[in-house]
Amino acid sequence: DTGVSQNPRHKITKRGQNVTFRCDPISEHNRLYWYRQTLGQGPEFLTYFQNEAQLEKSRLLSDRFSAERPKGSFSTLEIQRTEQGDSAMYLCASSFGTTNTGELFFGEGSRLTVL
Amino acid sequence: GEDVEQSLFLSVREGDSSVINCTYTDSSSTYLYWYKQEPGAGLQLLTYIFSNMDMKQDQRLTVLLNKKDKHLSLRIADTQTGDSAIYFCAESMWGTASKLTFGTGTRLQVTL
Repeated sequence: DTGVSQNPRHKITKRGQNVTFRCDPISEHNRLYWYRQTLGQGPEFLTYFQNEAQLEKSRLLSDRFSAERPKGSFSTLEIQRTEQGDSAMYLCASSFGTTNTGELFFGEGSRLTVL
Repeated sequence: GEDVEQSLFLSVREGDSSVINCTYTDSSSTYLYWYKQEPGAGLQLLTYIFSNMDMKQDQRLTVLLNKKDKHLSLRIADTQTGDSAIYFCAESMWGTASKLTFGTGTRLQVTL
């Protein structure tokens, strides 16, 4: 049983560097989401894809952030010119089809530390 | 705007019942959820309730929804040490393709 896979699990970088995270969703899921979670907070929505189309972006997603899902399967989240405030856990989730029950399947997250 | 609030911490003894509370502000919420997050793991959906329901029971879990007061609770019967985790409530609205708004989470500590 393959769940949502994220890598790298941990990334330490210096301020100003670019980082990229990858998410492999559950194979039959056509929706993919990125959330960000900071210490002591709940996850905050960043963006979501239906197949390869990015349908919604949060205002939290500054111009330094870009997400892609080129073939409707895996997705990447790139952060350019990282800042210390970008330090967080980046969570990917996927879901299937037209269901609106909110049953998102989350990966274990990619933790970013910006020094 | 959307805002979901939870108390930060709850400690219970093994075998007792736990009740985790949540309040939300958006009356147009359609589904309300409880997710569990264990250390180093992703979030796991425990249960959800549609906004036209008052109660849902699933084995040891009971969800109560008071739509008038915008209050949601999760009761865990016979709490076990394996239930120690952070519990998040979340809401979504119809047509938002499962975009969830999460609370800040309640850390449940189960003591022997």
